[in-house]
Amino acid sequence: ETGVTQSPTHLIKTRGQQVTLRCSSQSGHNTVSWYQQALGQGPQFIFQYYREEENGRGNFPPRFSGLQFPNYSSELNVNALELDDSALYLCASSLDPGEDEQYFGPGTRLTVT
Amino acid sequence: KNQVEQSPQSLIILEGKNCTLQCNYTVSPFSNLRWYKQDTGRGPVSLTIMTFSENTKSNGRYTATLDADTKQSSLHITASQLSDSASYICVVRGTGGYNKLIFGAGTRLAVHP
Repeated sequence: ETGVTQSPTHLIKTRGQQVTLRCSSQSGHNTVSWYQQALGQGPQFIFQYYREEENGRGNFPPRFSGLQFPNYSSELNVNALELDDSALYLCASSLDPGEDEQYFGPGTRLTVT
Repeated sequence: KNQVEQSPQSLIILEGKNCTLQCNYTVSPFSNLRWYKQDTGRGPVSLTIMTFSENTKSNGRYTATLDADTKQSSLHITASQLSDSASYICVVRGTGGYNKLIFGAGTRLAVHP
């Protein structure tokens, strides 16, 4: 196991609701990246946080937002949930933004009904 | 457009048999290529990483090859075990910053007794 933890494991929400997913990075890692993985697809990059600042963003709308805390843990917030937001949400931590090696958490399975 | 394509999409083999998974990419310029194993409902775990100058890399029963000229990589699994049942994802990193990781959709491997 990687030492990256995510909560909750599973979540069911209704369309239009808001959700917050949490990630604790591996000890010593100051960079957290979030990915969305639809069923049968590879992960898609949402955004990355480095030292509490957003350090880059993929092709996701503004209703996907995030935070990183002084201890480098992170949150992913999604507002106005849509059915297509149903996916496995992965966070990955790394030593710094330039570090290739990313350590993934087990993911949060979000189902929007 | 930078892309990573994997084949086959899914594969069923009998325990003890060998198999080879393919990854073709168009990412340019190219920094490195990783193969990840992702168990169902879990985060991906890195198996191998290869840079431009490396042709082959082994990790136990897993052997990855890279042909940077043809932009092709393969992952060969020897003497498969039931625990090899998982998705195998090819990830190519271009040069540049945070969003230069391009994920393939993965090959879903099922090993049957």
